[in-house]
Amino acid sequence: EIVLTQSPATLSLSPGERATLSCRASQSVNSYLAWYQQKPGQAPRLLIYDASKRATGIPDRFSGSGSGTDFTLNISSLEPEDFAVYYCHQRSNWPRTFGQGTKVEIK
Amino acid sequence: EVQLVESGGGLVQPGGSLRLSCAASGFTFSGYEVNWVRQAPGKGLEWVSYISSSGGAIYYADSVKGRFTISRDNAKSSLYLQMNSLGAEDTAVYYCARISRGIHYFDYWGQGTLVTVSS
Repeated sequence: EIVLTQSPATLSLSPGERATLSCRASQSVNSYLAWYQQKPGQAPRLLIYDASKRATGIPDRFSGSGSGTDFTLNISSLEPEDFAVYYCHQRSNWPRTFGQGTKVEIK
Repeated sequence: EVQLVESGGGLVQPGGSLRLSCAASGFTFSGYEVNWVRQAPGKGLEWVSYISSSGGAIYYADSVKGRFTISRDNAKSSLYLQMNSLGAEDTAVYYCARISRGIHYFDYWGQGTLVTVSS
């Protein structure tokens, strides 16, 4: 099983600041990695797929990078609606796995 | 509008069984792969099971293998999860999630149904 380790667990930032979230895979997932955003009481929403491609309707302040085992999600300037939990997810191997999540909270 | 609506959750005793359903609408269900993903209270996401569009390919997480069975009825645009030998560790919100044919990731999710295993 591919283990995805996200860091940090919590990111405390102010609106307008830049957020950088990390996801490290226990073995290569090539570029088969996605990022999801989840707000309380809601289902996850796809933000980024194949490591760097934005999903439909996702603002360009969200960007993804990386390949192999190291990936990054950047939010260039945090908007109030961006404070949420973010999960990385790999579809390279079975079983599919998710990272444990990074909570982006208001400082 | 694409919709996935889960049902069948509730309170069940340890060792009991439950069958979840997911009703799909707004798209041609038979053309899409679908999954179950769960989330324990206050915890992260855990992929549970996958079924291909025809039902010919099925995968399970090790944590549920041998206890859970995924199935689908394309004529009824519905996905199911039969859960047996339930334990406290199965307490979670269960989501059905569609895989996009174009990009092969979860693009639509239901609102989830809560399963609570407790005596």
